[in-house]
Amino acid sequence: GDSVTQMEGPVTLSEEAFLTINCTYTATGYPSLFWYVQYPGEGLQLLLKATKADDKGSNKGFEATYRKETTSFHLEKGSVQVSDSAVYFCALIIIQGAQKLVFGQGTRLTINP
Amino acid sequence: ETGVTQTPRHLVMGMTNKKSLKCEQHLGHNAMYWYKQSAKKPLELMFVYNFKEQTENNSVPSRFSPECPNSSHLFLHLHTLQPEDSALYLCASSHRLGQGDSLYEQYFGPGTRLTVT
Repeated sequence: GDSVTQMEGPVTLSEEAFLTINCTYTATGYPSLFWYVQYPGEGLQLLLKATKADDKGSNKGFEATYRKETTSFHLEKGSVQVSDSAVYFCALIIIQGAQKLVFGQGTRLTINP
Repeated sequence: ETGVTQTPRHLVMGMTNKKSLKCEQHLGHNAMYWYKQSAKKPLELMFVYNFKEQTENNSVPSRFSPECPNSSHLFLHLHTLQPEDSALYLCASSHRLGQGDSLYEQYFGPGTRLTVT
């Protein structure tokens, strides 16, 4: 079945550090890939997306590139801020079929000043 | 503003109570979803409605009963819940399949934090 695997958290970094959160997927079709972010006490917000191989999604300084050869969609940011502290979810959706989002388990990120 | 609202934000109920969660979307979407978010587990899709018709029931126990009276409103009726049902319940909405580039993007509400005692 379709699945998403994220790196184990929690992740703790200092402000201005470089961030990578790994995400790999397995899918039977041709998925679109997403990163969602959940700030404390809130629902999920779409952070960025990529709909085909080699696409790069970007938003708020975050980037992720859809790598079909390695079935990966790693999230990166060059210089994190305290306000980036949240839980990050990688997800995929298969366009053909039931249009269900499949989520990874989430990675909690804490940025210390 | 997410465009998807949920009420109540917090709910404490006993195992014999009956309560309902409400979700409303102001985005003109046609599909609505219920998810369950438990500690240390991935988000679990519970139900999907497309144009008010239920298209997905992900093996959810019958003590959870969804209702979608129109494309803007979604309810989750709860009765005789168990303590393990305590979780954050998230509602989401999206355009239906086939409507354009942003169609697969789901917009989430803030969730209802449910505690079953």
